[in-house]
This record gives sequence, structure tokens and C-alpha cells, in this order.
Amino acid sequence: QVQLQQWGAGLLKPSETLSLTCAVYGGSFSGYYWSWIRQPPGKGLEWIGEINHSGSTNYNPSLKSRVTISVDTSKNQFSLKLSSVTAADTAVYYCARADDFWSGYSSYYYYYMDVWGKGTTVTVSS
Amino acid sequence: SSELTQDPAVSVALGQTVRITCQGDSLRSYYASWYQQKPGQAPVLVIYGKNNRPSGIPDRFSGSSSGNTASLTITGAQAEDEADYYCNSRDSSGNPHVVFGGGTKLTVL
Repeated sequence: QVQLQQWGAGLLKPSETLSLTCAVYGGSFSGYYWSWIRQPPGKGLEWIGEINHSGSTNYNPSLKSRVTISVDTSKNQFSLKLSSVTAADTAVYYCARADDFWSGYSSYYYYYMDVWGKGTTVTVSS
Repeated sequence: SSELTQDPAVSVALGQTVRITCQGDSLRSYYASWYQQKPGQAPVLVIYGKNNRPSGIPDRFSGSSSGNTASLTITGAQAEDEADYYCNSRDSSGNPHVVFGGGTKLTVL
């Protein structure tokens, strides 16, 4: 049973850098996309970005200039850095495992996030 | 980039059937996946692919797709199904970004 355990600083001041790490336990690190998602208070889910085991990344265009996602395969961990935070970055941040493949049988792509971390509340306040 | 559109709120009487929909251009090439989120908890995958349920998800949850619309159906809704439901997929407009619907608040009456 794959589990994700995440941690990082929960209180930041404006202009600081958010830093979170997610460790993967109990499963393969390769063959998946390792994702970060956030949820501002009372709002919906927002995809931040992802990385695969080889270090290839995709980022949400609205956050791309401030986001860096990295991977440490020796520890089965991946990390998120978000620079120059403001109050608008206050949210619960989740890490998740995603799978993505083409089904030739149905001629459709599959994409889903099947394992999630418990979330880390990050508050940005002066 | 593509967007996924969901109705903000839906209600269902206890034991009845409810359908939650998700619309978007990406759904013409991607199956939507569906997540249930209860207050203070992380989202949980309930449906993925054509109509696949992860282990532990009750069989009253099912999924379907037609054109640019995906649907999550709960047959015989239970009180514990009251939650927010989100759909998601990759953006199919030539880029690998991931999109979420705005979420649907399901109330079980």
C-alpha cells in the first residue's frame, strides 16, 4: 500500500519561499507523475505541477515563474518550492501520485491521481 | 488551455440516484477522474477511466462519458456521500497541464 507523507513549514511571511517535501513509501517511484496540488480556504483544487522519476517537470502556467519541483530518487522523495509568496498562496498543499496512459482499446487517455498525502496547511501572513 | 465545468451544487434525497456532470474539451480525448472530498480531509479517488473504482469504493459509484461530458452517478445515495466532488484530466490542447473542475457540493437530504 503506497503512502505519501508530506512535511514543511506552515507559516511564512510575504516574499519568503514555501518549501514542502513528500516521501513515497511502499511502492515504486518510477512510472508515475508526482504532483503538487493546493486548495485555498473555501475554494477548489488547483494543480501546481508535477515531476516524474527522471526529473521531467510540468508546471501550471499561472505559477510557473515561481515554482520549482525537484526529485530525489535515492530517498523516494519529491519537493516543492514556491518563491515570493503572498497571502494569495495561503492554502492546504497536497502531494499526490498520478498515472497517465493511453488505452488503445478505447482510444482514450487515462489520467488520475490515486494516492494523496494528508495535506499541509500553509499560511502566509506578516 | 481547457477548462472543466461543474455545477456548483447538487442535492439528492437519501437513497435516490444523483448524477454529477463535468464538461470540457479535454474530455473528448481524456477520461475524467473523480474525487470525493469531505471537510478537513484530502481528496479520495472514486472513479477513473471508463468506469473504474479503486479498491474500497462502493459500487454505488459509477462513471460514464459522452462527447465532452463526463458523469459521476451515485445510485442509492447515502448520508456519508455528502461531500465535494471534483473532476480532473489533463488539458488536451497540446499541452500536458492538469485541470480540475470547480467542484460540486453534494447535499444528501
